[in-house]
Amino acid sequence: DQQVKQNSPSLSVQEGRISILNCDYTNSMFDYFLWYKKYPAEGPTFLISISSIKDKNEDGRFTVFLNKSAKHLSLHIVPSQPGDSAVYFCAKRNFGNEKLTFGTGTRLTIIP
Amino acid sequence: DAGVIQSPRHEVTEMGQEVTLRCKPISGHNSLFWYRQTMMRGLELLIYFNNNVPIDDSGMPEDRFSAKMPNASFSTLKIQPSEPRDSAVYFCASSPTRDSYEQYFGPGTRLTVT
Repeated sequence: DQQVKQNSPSLSVQEGRISILNCDYTNSMFDYFLWYKKYPAEGPTFLISISSIKDKNEDGRFTVFLNKSAKHLSLHIVPSQPGDSAVYFCAKRNFGNEKLTFGTGTRLTIIP
Repeated sequence: DAGVIQSPRHEVTEMGQEVTLRCKPISGHNSLFWYRQTMMRGLELLIYFNNNVPIDDSGMPEDRFSAKMPNASFSTLKIQPSEPRDSAVYFCASSPTRDSYEQYFGPGTRLTVT
């Protein structure tokens, strides 16, 4: 049961443009969604989160949008920079549970 | 403060051998998580501990896998006997409290079983 889906395994974006990474989910019982960023040979690092009671959260160049009716969230990176090239995972945390359920990841490549 | 420490960073072993992966969480963190990353399934949670007690091991693939946390600063994940399909990157993560949603990951152990 893949509760969190990232349907695009890879994405290439020109430097300076907007990168949009997408995530779909099936189970609506959650309190947070999180995005993690992973560089090669390193562990994932937390990037940004969004609470289930919000529809947008912004942190610098990174914005998360949550569409509960569509069970969809997206991460926007504006402007994209070469250092943003990494694998991005979305993850869901259910109410009353500290487990995170991760998607399969999207490899973002920023083209200089 | 040092982050989550995992050892070894790389492990190559033959099918049938026992493999032990090690993790030292961030000091003061109460929860510890073991994940496995594969291309097909992404990051899967195998097991997690809170205050050294296993809380959920439903992600452990089969009886060949076992995990222990004898104290707050050390955990092991053991595979016995290992099989080629166990080849993956195994991550350990820790978090400060049960209410924390942010988990801090170690660098991972790349396991290759031939």
